[in-house]
Amino acid sequence: DVKVTQSSRYLVKRTGEKVFLECVQDMDHENMFWYRQDPGLGLRLIYFSYDVKMKEKGDIPEGYSVSREKKERFSLILESASTNQTSMYLCASSSGQGGYQPQHFGDGTRLSIL
Amino acid sequence: GNSVTQMEGPVTLSEEAFLTINCTYTATGYPSLFWYVQYPGEGLQLLLKATKADDKGSNKGFEATYRKETTSFHLEKGSVQVSDSAVYFCALSEVRNAGNMLTFGGGTRLMVKP
Repeated sequence: DVKVTQSSRYLVKRTGEKVFLECVQDMDHENMFWYRQDPGLGLRLIYFSYDVKMKEKGDIPEGYSVSREKKERFSLILESASTNQTSMYLCASSSGQGGYQPQHFGDGTRLSIL
Repeated sequence: GNSVTQMEGPVTLSEEAFLTINCTYTATGYPSLFWYVQYPGEGLQLLLKATKADDKGSNKGFEATYRKETTSFHLEKGSVQVSDSAVYFCALSEVRNAGNMLTFGGGTRLMVKP
């Protein structure tokens, strides 16, 4: 089974801090994704990466950046955290072989910015 | 662009009732279709998928048929259990830069009472 591991289940940070959310997958997947999930808004794509050092903006990239130095690891960075970034963050990965491949999700990180 | 529309919840049923959660989509080309389930406090898990018209995906008693003529992928289960209480997401995929992107519906919360 695919395992996608997010480094923290719960995280509390202060406004203005630089925040790192880490995600690791163990299936040698080419694609990795970061979403945020908010009540009433569903899942929204922040960034994705289809290869090492490659990244593309999703629907809501403002205030975020990402890093993919190794194939198995995809980091989401909040450059200067703000209270409107309080949310559930979900990481996912998938094989790059065709559009029928499902994405596999981690358990999520619930981030609170005070 | 692509979009997925799900019936709004919550859907409240008694145990052993029949479940239908409607999902319709708008897409160019021929997407693959997925249902994901999210149990409280967890990430999303793939429930079932269908990759072409008239395919039926099934898992854990749930079924959905890819209907191209009605652009629908309704989720059904003949007899729900309390343990099926969760949020259900319909999604379609498209390939972008060799990465398979998912477009999600807004999610439907299912509550099953004993």
